[in-house]
Amino acid sequence: GAGVSQSPSNKVTEKGKDVELRCDPISGHTALYWYRQRLGQGLEFLIYFQGNSAPDKSGLPSDRFSAERTGESVSTLTIQRTQQEDSAVYLCASSLVGVGLFSYEQYFGPGTRLTVT
Amino acid sequence: AQSVTQLGSHVSVSEGALVLLRCNYSSSVPPYLFWYVQYPNQGLQLLLKYTTGATLVKGINGFEAEFKKSETSFHLTKPSAHMSDAAEYFCAVSNTNAGKSTFGDGTTLTVKP
Repeated sequence: GAGVSQSPSNKVTEKGKDVELRCDPISGHTALYWYRQRLGQGLEFLIYFQGNSAPDKSGLPSDRFSAERTGESVSTLTIQRTQQEDSAVYLCASSLVGVGLFSYEQYFGPGTRLTVT
Repeated sequence: AQSVTQLGSHVSVSEGALVLLRCNYSSSVPPYLFWYVQYPNQGLQLLLKYTTGATLVKGINGFEAEFKKSETSFHLTKPSAHMSDAAEYFCAVSNTNAGKSTFGDGTTLTVKP
């Protein structure tokens, strides 16, 4: 079946502009995550959606970052007034969540490489 | 609360040598543990996982990991390294309460000919 898809694959934007990144999770996966990965660094958790629960936004670095999810489907990550330090690969992942809300393994998309000039 | 510590951000081994990547975790409830691999210019993929049952788990490409509750560890090993194993490896933990995984900072494995 289809995996997690993300668009665009690459985005170059000028400092100060807003950008919107899209993630299509695997069908049936109720949990969705966004991460940021700066060059040569690890995964930085941004936000977590699980079903109809309130999202865990504890990883969002500033109020310029926001994310939405439509039901258990598509999610968009929006970065307003982009800064050069926002340059990174933004990864989306989805997973099944079972009884008791424990998460199975995450399936990652290919990422969106964001470059802010 | 949960956390993951990967000891050694960079590990270098010779081809054919033992690979050992260390991961320690903290979790207030029994954990579920994962190793993911990211090959150069590719996305992350699951290498292996521990949920319940046998504490020694086997994954793809000859890797295995052992869950040791007393040591709160989940170290990744492979008896003989191949050049194709060069990648970044991430350890992650999730549990029934948190509902989401926490990742370590990653370990870059270099394999020398």
